[in-house]
Amino acid sequence: EVQLVESGGGLVQPGGSLTLSCAASGLSVSGSFMNWVRQAPGKGLEWLSTIYGNGDTFHADSVRGRFTISRLSSKNVLFFQMNSLRIEDTAVYFCTAMLSGAGHSYAIDLWGQGTTVTVSS
Amino acid sequence: DIQMTQSPSSLSAFLGDTVTITCRTSQSIGTYLHWYQLKPGEAPKLLIYGVSGFLREVPSRFTGSGSGTEFTLTISGLQPEDSGIYFCQHTYLKPPWTFGQGTKVEIK
Repeated sequence: EVQLVESGGGLVQPGGSLTLSCAASGLSVSGSFMNWVRQAPGKGLEWLSTIYGNGDTFHADSVRGRFTISRLSSKNVLFFQMNSLRIEDTAVYFCTAMLSGAGHSYAIDLWGQGTTVTVSS
Repeated sequence: DIQMTQSPSSLSAFLGDTVTITCRTSQSIGTYLHWYQLKPGEAPKLLIYGVSGFLREVPSRFTGSGSGTEFTLTISGLQPEDSGIYFCQHTYLKPPWTFGQGTKVEIK
């Protein structure tokens, strides 16, 4: 079965750090464009970060310099290192993949169930 | 960066009605426009890819259209399970690949 399973969410104080993991099954994290997307409480979806198959990375202005996307191909895992967390980073974080790539015009066609990050003192 | 403007922010309609959601982009994005459905407690679901691309697992009442900077998602014959929030997203050129603000669909 093709799936993404996130872990690592939890409660953290402002200024703290957290690393999210996303274990991929049935696909290669190095073979697809992989992304992190979040939904804050009562808010919409926010694209945060993408890593290409060739390793190029991109980050939204809201998280650049604080969050970093990376992968470990040998374990087929995607990571999201989050530093200097703020209250407004409280959200459900989704690991996603553009599995079909150009075939679906790079739409996100695979989503994990999400992991909740709460930033609070 | 490409700006996305989605409207309306919410709508309420009866079972069987046809509803339309619009997404406008700040520049032409070719066919790199997609629609997603989000329900509480669930992962978002891809409904339409590449403006009008169908997916086998998505009911045929969901259709997408548009070109240039204006795109629409139409739900023909609204069903109870269609309540939720709908988002557009572009994936034109390189990131940032912004989402629209979302449209909350309520069944009367």
